Amino acid sequence: DQQVKQNSPSLSVQEGRISILNCDYTNSMFDYFLWYKKYPAEGPTFLISISSIKDKNEDGRFTVFLNKSAKHLSLHIVPSQPGDSAVYFCAASDASNTGKLIFGQGTTLQVKP
Amino acid sequence: DTAVSQTPKYLVTQMGNDKSIKCEQNLGHDTMYWYKQDSKKFLKIMFSYNNKELIINETVPNRFSPKSPDKAHLNLHINSLELGDSAVYFCASSHTGVDLAGELFFGEGSRLTVL
Repeated sequence: DQQVKQNSPSLSVQEGRISILNCDYTNSMFDYFLWYKKYPAEGPTFLISISSIKDKNEDGRFTVFLNKSAKHLSLHIVPSQPGDSAVYFCAASDASNTGKLIFGQGTTLQVKP
Repeated sequence: DTAVSQTPKYLVTQMGNDKSIKCEQNLGHDTMYWYKQDSKKFLKIMFSYNNKELIINETVPNRFSPKSPDKAHLNLHINSLELGDSAVYFCASSHTGVDLAGELFFGEGSRLTVL
């Protein structure tokens, strides 16, 4: 039973446009959400996070939106750049403070020049 | 000076063999993890250690045995390898107690192929 789902395996956008990556979760106990970015042959790297007490967090070109009632979050990248081409993982944790993250299966973003 | 380094990066071995993957972090973190990325690309936690103490053991077969000699190292030993163990294994580390989840720092991964 996958508690964090990224239903789009891939996304292709033109350079300069907005990229929107989506993530759904089922566990209402999740209270902290993160996005990781992964290049081939590298480990995932942290990108941006959001606590459940917020509905938006922004860091430069990256904004994460959280809709708790819909159990949905999204990552917006604007403007998209070719260097953003990577696999993006959504992850969630609960308040157990164990550091355990539940990951989605990732969305491959391709930004075309 | 890689923050989280794991060796080997690639490992090809026969079924039934025993193998180990080593992980070291130089970030001063007190918690380390092993995650497995299977063929469906899901990243799933296997173990976590906090200051050499096992915190999370996610119903992993007992053929998998983590060992943490100190808080900067977390090794993974796998006995009697099976075909289904083929995956990419990621080591990670984090602070705990700073916030609820803590940002994980991942190594580059070790791709294990069992023939």
